[in-house]
Amino acid sequence: EVQLLDSGGDLVQPGGSLRLSCAASGFTFNNNAMGWVRQAPGKGLEWVSSITGSGDNTYYADSVKGRFTISRDNSKNALYLQMNSLRADDTAVYYCLGVWHWGQGTQVTVSS
Amino acid sequence: DIQMTQSPSSLSASVGDRVTITCRASQGINSWLAWYQQKPEKAPKSLIYAASNLHSGVPSRFSGSGSGTDFTLTITGLQPEDFATYYCQQYNSYPRTFGGGTKVEIK
Repeated sequence: EVQLLDSGGDLVQPGGSLRLSCAASGFTFNNNAMGWVRQAPGKGLEWVSSITGSGDNTYYADSVKGRFTISRDNSKNALYLQMNSLRADDTAVYYCLGVWHWGQGTQVTVSS
Repeated sequence: DIQMTQSPSSLSASVGDRVTITCRASQGINSWLAWYQQKPEKAPKSLIYAASNLHSGVPSRFSGSGSGTDFTLTITGLQPEDFATYYCQQYNSYPRTFGGGTKVEIK
């Protein structure tokens, strides 16, 4: 059974940093691209970033480019999202997504 | 960037109705389109990939069609558990983009 477990969300001040994690199980992790999707309060889904199975290629939404970094550790079946220079409009539930399965989401709140 | 336009943004329907949601891409995406269902306060669930292929466990009352720029999601015989918000997403190219969502409400 595929499982994705998101963690790392928190309340952080504007300009601060946070690292989200996603623990994956139930599939061959290093063979599959992974990504992050977010949802601001009362809004729709927004794709944030993706990474290939090898980790060699990464992709970002313009809204986070230069501030967020996606990475993975295939030895640990783990996906990460390093979030720097956080802004109020980054406030959202962040979901890990892979092999068509979704994590349960982790809440990121950026506020002073 | 490819823009995805869903319509309607919301609809009211009764149990047993046939419901159709449309998704239009601003440029051709072949069949690289997915549909997701999201219930309040829950993570989305993947329903359909490659425009018309149901994921394992998805009831056969859901169907998808289309290619190029125009796509539809149809629910034939709406059930109480189908009241939710539905999103399309293109995965033909980066950045991946979602439609704005269609909320299916009880009439």
